[in-house]
Amino acid sequence: EIVLTQSPATLSLSPGERATLSCRASPGFSNSLAWFQQRPGQAPRLLIYDTSNRATGIPVRFSGSGSGTDFTLTISSLEPEDSALYYCQQRDSWPPRITFGQGTRLDIK
Amino acid sequence: EVRLVESGGGLVQPGGSLRLSCVASGSTFSSYEMTWVRQAPGKGLEWLSYISTSGHVTFYADSVKGRFNISRDNTDNSLSLQMSGLRVEDTGVYFCAGLGYCNGGSCYSLSMWGQGILVTVSS
Repeated sequence: EIVLTQSPATLSLSPGERATLSCRASPGFSNSLAWFQQRPGQAPRLLIYDTSNRATGIPVRFSGSGSGTDFTLTISSLEPEDSALYYCQQRDSWPPRITFGQGTRLDIK
Repeated sequence: EVRLVESGGGLVQPGGSLRLSCVASGSTFSSYEMTWVRQAPGKGLEWLSYISTSGHVTFYADSVKGRFNISRDNTDNSLSLQMSGLRVEDTGVYFCAGLGYCNGGSCYSLSMWGQGILVTVSS
């Protein structure tokens, strides 16, 4: 069973700065990784699918990369509305188990 | 994309039962593998259950296996989660979510989500 560990737990940055969020998988896997943004009181919103593809309507400042055991979500120039929780997610081919990371809180001060 | 709307949440006593429903708009519901995900108060996301496009294949997290049952009816675009033997730790917001952005028939990302429905298990 794959475990996803996100770091840091909390990140506090200023508008215009660059944010780098990490998701480490143990053991590693060959399938793709997804990233979500969740604002308070809202459902998660898919940002990145297949490790590096932006979902429909997602701004270009969001990008994903990585493979195997180490994956990264980068937000190139932070906007105040980027304050949220961010989760990574993967799915096993079989059995069809889905795993989430524990989340990273991003605060824009 | 498909729009998802959950219903059926509420307050239930420990040991009780509850049935959640998720209705999808759009004609392509039958082509999506579907799941239920929950979020305990102040906690992260926890995947609970999976169902294949046909409904013939189901899979559960250990935390709910034997207590929860997922089903779907593609004729009326609906997904259900029958919950029994509820515990205080089952309290949370429950989301139905579908796997999309498929590549070569394999779908790995939860691309569509309902707004969530609150389930509270308390005496």
